[in-house]
Amino acid sequence: AQTVTQSQPEMSVQEAETVTLSCTYDTSENNYYLFWYKQPPSRQMILVIRQEAYKQQNATENRFSVNFQKAAKSFSLKISDSQLGDTAMYFCAFGLGGGGADGLTFGKGTHLIIQP
Amino acid sequence: EPEVTQTPSHQVTQMGQEVILRCVPISNHLYFYWYRQILGQKVEFLVSFYNNEISEKSEIFDDQFSVERPDGSNFTLKIRSTKLEDSAMYFCASESRGSHQPQHFGDGTRLSIL
Repeated sequence: AQTVTQSQPEMSVQEAETVTLSCTYDTSENNYYLFWYKQPPSRQMILVIRQEAYKQQNATENRFSVNFQKAAKSFSLKISDSQLGDTAMYFCAFGLGGGGADGLTFGKGTHLIIQP
Repeated sequence: EPEVTQTPSHQVTQMGQEVILRCVPISNHLYFYWYRQILGQKVEFLVSFYNNEISEKSEIFDDQFSVERPDGSNFTLKIRSTKLEDSAMYFCASESRGSHQPQHFGDGTRLSIL
């Protein structure tokens, strides 16, 4: 079974600062995917970024980037030039590869607060 | 952009009653999922559905739960004999072709058991 650990229950930064959210995971699998989802107060689940484990290059989506360290089983999310709208719960999630319909395993989340 | 649609947004039900949560996945998607999030806790996988049958299910998904795709459009989660601890946010998700392409989530149904 896979586990996902997010060690920061809450973080707070000033607007325009850069913030890094940490995530570690444990698996014996070699083919998998990692995700960061954002959940604003409206409770939607919004995909932020996705990383395939077989790709060495770190994924980037505009102000969001990841630092994927496969050997260390670490998958941190960096948010640059943070904005008030980035305030939300952020969940790290793990999914198996292989083409099946496997459910995602989520961490407990980090509550990110962007201060004006 | 296509969306996953869930209804109702909020359901209040007496303990012991049956409840059906409805989802309309994105039209060309093939894989469907239900997740649960108890207030203040992490999102938990319940079940996945592909080719008109359950593909995977978690230990949470016991005989109290069932899923169905009755008309090729809707994807439903039925909870029988609801208990207080079934109170949670329930998310539906869909995916185009497996291996996490990725999963697109609906806005969720907040289920409150009284």
